[in-house]
Amino acid sequence: QSALTQPASVSGSPGQSITISCTGTSSDVGGYNYVSWYQQHPGKAPKLMIYEVSNRPSGVSNRFSGSKSGNTASLTISGLQAEDEADYYCSSYTSSLLVFGTGTKVTVL
Amino acid sequence: QVQLQESGPGLVKPSETLSLTCAVSGYSISSGYYWGWIRQPPGKGLEWIGSIYHSGSTYYNPSLKSRVTISVDTSKNQFSLKLSSVTAADTAVYYCARLRYCSGGSCYPDTDYWGQGTLVTVSS
Repeated sequence: QSALTQPASVSGSPGQSITISCTGTSSDVGGYNYVSWYQQHPGKAPKLMIYEVSNRPSGVSNRFSGSKSGNTASLTISGLQAEDEADYYCSSYTSSLLVFGTGTKVTVL
Repeated sequence: QVQLQESGPGLVKPSETLSLTCAVSGYSISSGYYWGWIRQPPGKGLEWIGSIYHSGSTYYNPSLKSRVTISVDTSKNQFSLKLSSVTAADTAVYYCARLRYCSGGSCYPDTDYWGQGTLVTVSS
């Protein structure tokens, strides 16, 4: 089972919207509605931002939204803010293991 | 507030066994949820190691299964990780975490509480 594929980096200006993709297969992203997204600031533990494709945990800004089409899940950050600069990881259930994405560094210009 | 705290040696020699413990406060492990370990090599991505339920049911990453043992001590409200025959490739920040549910051979990727992480270096 390979890691899910994410773009290495995505950037945007404050106030803009950006989208991070997470591409897998029918055995992971495409096969289950159990895709999560995590935000990780340097030196910190990951923080759950989205679960079950599009659900936000309590306390997470509604500027973060998730979706899925086929074998690709996406995280959209709208109204980009300086504090959104971080690494983002997707994750998916599979029948044999919990798999993570390769990670995307988001830069706020 | 649920809190998790990893503890254990920061330096392990090659071929030896890495041992870490995660102490949980603010929530009783026996009340539910699943408890797991996730690691992150320096500058790299996240890797799920495995998870355990308070009953002792375990779920392991197939690539690590032959070297991993996760156990739980409900009386101390903690769970532990042992990784044997370590090499430099096992150098990583090790996180303990709470997961919502596990089924089949794996777990749902809903990890709502994490420890701060502990760096374990494998070196002679």
